[in-house]
Amino acid sequence: SQQGEEDPQALSIQEGENATMNCSYKTSINNLQWYRQNSGRGLVHLILIRSNEREKHSGRLRVTLDTSKKSSSLLITASRAADTASYFCATSGTYKYIFGTGTRLKVLA
Amino acid sequence: DVKVTQSSRYLVKRTGEKVFLECVQDMDHENMFWYRQDPGLGLRLIYFSYDVKMKEKGDIPEGYSVSREKKERFSLILESASTNQTSMYLCATDSRASGSPLHFGNGTRLTVT
Repeated sequence: SQQGEEDPQALSIQEGENATMNCSYKTSINNLQWYRQNSGRGLVHLILIRSNEREKHSGRLRVTLDTSKKSSSLLITASRAADTASYFCATSGTYKYIFGTGTRLKVLA
Repeated sequence: DVKVTQSSRYLVKRTGEKVFLECVQDMDHENMFWYRQDPGLGLRLIYFSYDVKMKEKGDIPEGYSVSREKKERFSLILESASTNQTSMYLCATDSRASGSPLHFGNGTRLTVT
């Protein structure tokens, strides 16, 4: 199957800094979603951006989508220790979601 | 809020055993999914169901089967567990509405010895 890829695989930053994660995918999409996973738990939906949108904001989250480059980025501003988690992008087609391999973010207090 | 409940958080089974992983959702969602998650491989779709008694193979269905007799319940069955099925298993649901996000359970960490 085709999977998205997140970049970087791991990221370590200081509290208060911004964190940027990138996602590339291979197929045409209806929308792209970002999820967060705390250690050993299920994934939680963060934000969805549709294929005809270029940018979307939700609180401290900013997502961009470039369908010509088949890529998306997630920016977390003013990070907190509680943002420490793994972040996944998922692209949506008919019925199925294809997940990337995730970025592990560690925010140091 | 949607609640997706997986019956066990941790499970240890022996090679060759038949294993049932249960998932129940309380929001009347049509679609239900089973994923497995392994380090470095991300989430891989095993099976999904878009209606009662309907099922479709995902990307890695070998060694697994599923059952959906009621809308709220989606079961994953390992007919004869093997050590390479040691993994985190995640159940998820969504509605058919366009742009509906996936709602996940907390996962079942299965160890096959």
